[in-house]
Amino acid sequence: QKEVEQDPGPLSVPEGAIVSLNCTYSNSAFQYFMWYRQYSRKGPELLMYTYSSGNKEDGRFTAQVDKSSKYISLFIRDSQPSDSATYLCAMSAGDSSYKLIFGSGTRLLVRP
Amino acid sequence: SQTIHQWPATLVQPVGSPLSLECTVEGTSNPNLYWYRQAAGRGLQLLFYSVGIGQISSEVPQNLSASRPQDRQFILSSKKLLLSDSGFYLCAFLTGREAFFGQGTRLTVV
Repeated sequence: QKEVEQDPGPLSVPEGAIVSLNCTYSNSAFQYFMWYRQYSRKGPELLMYTYSSGNKEDGRFTAQVDKSSKYISLFIRDSQPSDSATYLCAMSAGDSSYKLIFGSGTRLLVRP
Repeated sequence: SQTIHQWPATLVQPVGSPLSLECTVEGTSNPNLYWYRQAAGRGLQLLFYSVGIGQISSEVPQNLSASRPQDRQFILSSKKLLLSDSGFYLCAFLTGREAFFGQGTRLTVV
């Protein structure tokens, strides 16, 4: 079993839709959770970072963490064609190495 | 501000040739540094990480090695490339609890 599972998609939605991206994990030691966006042939860029259960909002993006269920989500409101990218969840146990373990990524296409 | 530089952006190398990819970080001291590889359509696989000069931890056994000769320099190497070494290589550094990535090197072994 992979430590982090993520639906690879692709996910195709019309412009303006609400998008829900999800990851599950098996390692209860994970304490820090991140979402990255990656455009084709580019390095990932950090979108959201959180370390506690609950919701964190930043503009059109909301990150949700449920540690009891080992489940994290990223919601995108009013999705735009420019949101079309691959979204990667990542998590870390927060020890000195702070190794980030990534999901396989979900490819999102927002249709105009 | 903190920045990360990774080069080259693309590289085509024959099987059996050596490899050296370099990553440097500016604007921070003693960062944790990481090398990841991403296969086409796949997530990021952690290859090596370093918490300080000369300290390298390997995550998966393979044809690659890493070195950290200076505080903000991280090098990924191979003595003889294999076809299976093709992929997108990413360097990252940690600031606080957030990790930031370089723009990557796309390596094609032919």
